[in-house]
Amino acid sequence: EAGVTQFPSHSVIEKGQTVTLRCDPISGHDNLYWYRRVMGKEIKFLLHFVKESKQDESGMPNNRFLAERTGGTYSTLKVQPAELEDSGVYFCASSPIPDVQAFFGQGTRLTVV
Amino acid sequence: GDSVTQMEGPVTLSEEAFLTINCTYTATGYPSLFWYVQYPGEGLQLLLKATKADDKGSNKGFEATYRKETTSFHLEKGSVQVSDSAVYFCALSADDKIIFGKGTRLHILP
Repeated sequence: EAGVTQFPSHSVIEKGQTVTLRCDPISGHDNLYWYRRVMGKEIKFLLHFVKESKQDESGMPNNRFLAERTGGTYSTLKVQPAELEDSGVYFCASSPIPDVQAFFGQGTRLTVV
Repeated sequence: GDSVTQMEGPVTLSEEAFLTINCTYTATGYPSLFWYVQYPGEGLQLLLKATKADDKGSNKGFEATYRKETTSFHLEKGSVQVSDSAVYFCALSADDKIIFGKGTRLHILP
C-alpha cells in the first residue's frame, strides 16, 4: 500500500512568486493534515481536512496560504505571493480516524529567495 | 495552550552508549503521547506511542513511559547504533491534531 506522497520534494522560488504543493494521502483516509517546520523550530499545525471539508484551519498563518481538497482525495497548498519567512519543510499527514496514528509524507522543502 | 518541550540538541553519543532525550508536556486533558523520528532524507515516522498514564511505548529498542505525575515522556535506549542518527520529535495529540516539540538531533559516532 502506498504511503502519503508529497510533490515536489524541493522547491526554490523567488519572493513574490506562487507555489503549489500537493499531497496524496493514503487511500481511504478521510483525515488529511498540513504541518510546517520552519528552520530549527517545532513542527506546527496548519490545517485539518475531513474529506473535502476544512475541519480546523486555525494554524494557517495568513491569507497568502490557500488549501484545497476537492473531492476529498488529494490536497493542494498554495502560497501566493510567497515571502521569505515561508521557507521551511511542509509536511502532509493522513489518518483514518482523528487522534489515531497519523502517517506522514516525506515533506516538501520550500525555499523562498 | 497545549505544548511540548524537549531537550535541545544536538546530542552526540558514541555507539553503544545509553540515550535519554527528555520530553515534558502541558495539556488540559489526557492526550496520547508520541515520539516521531525523521531519518536523513526521509519523512516523519512514528517511533512509539502511549495512550494513557503509566503506558510504556516501545519499538526498535527505544522506550518511553507516560508519566502523568511529572507530565513527562522521556525517550530512552540502552545501546544506540550509528543507524539511530536522526531527528527525534516528542508530540501529543489534542483536538484532532498533533502538537510537536522542536526536535532533537541525535548523532551517533562509530
